[in-house]
Amino acid sequence: DTAVSQTPKYLVTQMGNDKSIKCEQNLGHDTMYWYKQDSKKFLKIMFSYNNKELIINETVPNRFSPKSPDKAHLNLHINSLELGDSAVYFCASSQEPPYEQYFGPGTRLTVT
Amino acid sequence: LAKTTQPVSMDSYEGQEVNITCSHNNIATNDYITWYQQFPSQGPRFIIQGYKTKVTNEVASLFIPADRKSSTLSLPRVSLSDTAVYYCLVARAGSQGNLIFGKGTKLSVKP
Repeated sequence: DTAVSQTPKYLVTQMGNDKSIKCEQNLGHDTMYWYKQDSKKFLKIMFSYNNKELIINETVPNRFSPKSPDKAHLNLHINSLELGDSAVYFCASSQEPPYEQYFGPGTRLTVT
Repeated sequence: LAKTTQPVSMDSYEGQEVNITCSHNNIATNDYITWYQQFPSQGPRFIIQGYKTKVTNEVASLFIPADRKSSTLSLPRVSLSDTAVYYCLVARAGSQGNLIFGKGTKLSVKP
C-alpha cells in the first residue's frame, strides 16, 4: 500500500481557474504538510497541519488553502490560478516534528 | 530559524566516499538535522537524522561537530544510483512550523 498518495499526478489548467489536489496518508501520522517545488528545485513548505494547529508560511498567497476532512487527508485548494503557480506540489506526513517526513509522489501543476 | 547552506553540486565516481556538508550557523538547542534524497520526478526520501556527534545507518553516516553549526552527510562507496539531489533540513522538536529545507546539493556519480 502506498504510504502517502496524491491525486492527480498531473494537472493542466488555465489561468483564473480553481483547482484542488488531494492527499491521503495511511501511516497514522498526526501531522501533514504541503510543499511547493519550483523549476529551480527549491523545496518550500507551504503549510503544516495537525489536529491542534495550522501553520501557514507567510509567503503563501491566500489563494491557497488547505482543507483537512479528517486526520488522514489534507487537500490543497487553489483559487484564481496564476502562471507562477506552475510547479510540483508535494504532500508529506510525519509524527510530530522532528520525526522523518514521508512524501507523496508529487502533483505537477501547469497553468497556461 | 536556522537557515541552511549546501554546495550546489558535487561530482564523484563510483566506489568513492562522498561527503556533503551543510552549514546551519543559527541552529537552536532543540533543532535536529535531517537529510533527504530526491530522485527526478519523485518526492524526497528520508536518509538519516541526528542531533549531535555521529549517527550511522545502513545507507549513510551523519557527522555533527560539538558546536552543531554544520553537519556532514557521508555516503560510502557511491554507485550510479546515488545520483540525486540531497537536502539538509533543520527541524525543531515539537514545532511543526520550523521546517526549512536547504537548496539541495545535486550529486552526480560517474562510472
